[in-house]
Amino acid sequence: GAGVSQSPSNKVTEKGKDVELRCDPISGHTALYWYRQSLGQGLEFLIYFQGNSAPDKSGLPSDRFSAERTGGSVSTLTIQRTQQEDSAVYLCASRHGWNSYNEQFFGPGTRLTVL
Amino acid sequence: SQQGEEDPQALSIQEGENATMNCSYKTSINNLQWYRQNSGRGLVHLILIRSNEREKHSGRLRVTLDTSKKSSSLLITASRAADTASYFCATASISSNTGKLIFGQGTTLQVKP
Repeated sequence: GAGVSQSPSNKVTEKGKDVELRCDPISGHTALYWYRQSLGQGLEFLIYFQGNSAPDKSGLPSDRFSAERTGGSVSTLTIQRTQQEDSAVYLCASRHGWNSYNEQFFGPGTRLTVL
Repeated sequence: SQQGEEDPQALSIQEGENATMNCSYKTSINNLQWYRQNSGRGLVHLILIRSNEREKHSGRLRVTLDTSKKSSSLLITASRAADTASYFCATASISSNTGKLIFGQGTTLQVKP
C-alpha cells in the first residue's frame, strides 16, 4: 500500500518568506508526527497529532512554526518569516492504532533551504 | 538535550563483515527502535524492541537492549554494500504518552564491496 508522502520534496525560499509543507499519512493512521533534521541539532520532534488535535506541540522552536491537520488525514506545517536556521529536512511520520508505542512510518521528507 | 548518543559516529567495513553500532539513552523507555536513512532522506523502520525484551532478531539484524545501562546495540551480520546508510536509534519515553521519539546522533556505515 501507499506509504507516507510529503510535498514538496525540495523547497528553496528567501529569508522572510512563508512556506507550507504537506504530509499525507498512511490511510487510517490516526497519529501523525513532524520531526526536523538539521546538521546542528540532529533529528528533533516538533509536534504530534492525534486525529485533528495536537496535544503535544512542545518541539515547535518558535511561534513562527504552526501546524494543522484536517479530516484526520493531511497535515500542513507552516513556517512564517523563514530564517536561515530553519533550513533542514522536515520529516513526517504516521502511526496506526491508539497504542502510542507502535512503530512510526516516515515519509521521504521535505528539504527546506532558506537563502 | 535529551538526545541519545551513538557510537561509533562512522564505521567502514568490507562486505561480508559484521557491523555493530551502539546507542545510549537518558530516560526510562517504553521501547527503542532502530531506523536506517539513505542519502539524508526518509527513515526506514528496522526493528522495535520493548523495554521488557533483551534481544530481538530480524533477518540479518540483531538488537540487544540493556535497560540497566540504558544502552542498545544493533548488529548487522554478513554486511552488503546495500547496507551503506546512516543508522539511528530512537527511544519512546514512558514519561510521554504521545510516543514521540528521541533520536540518537546516528552512525554512518559504509560497506565496501
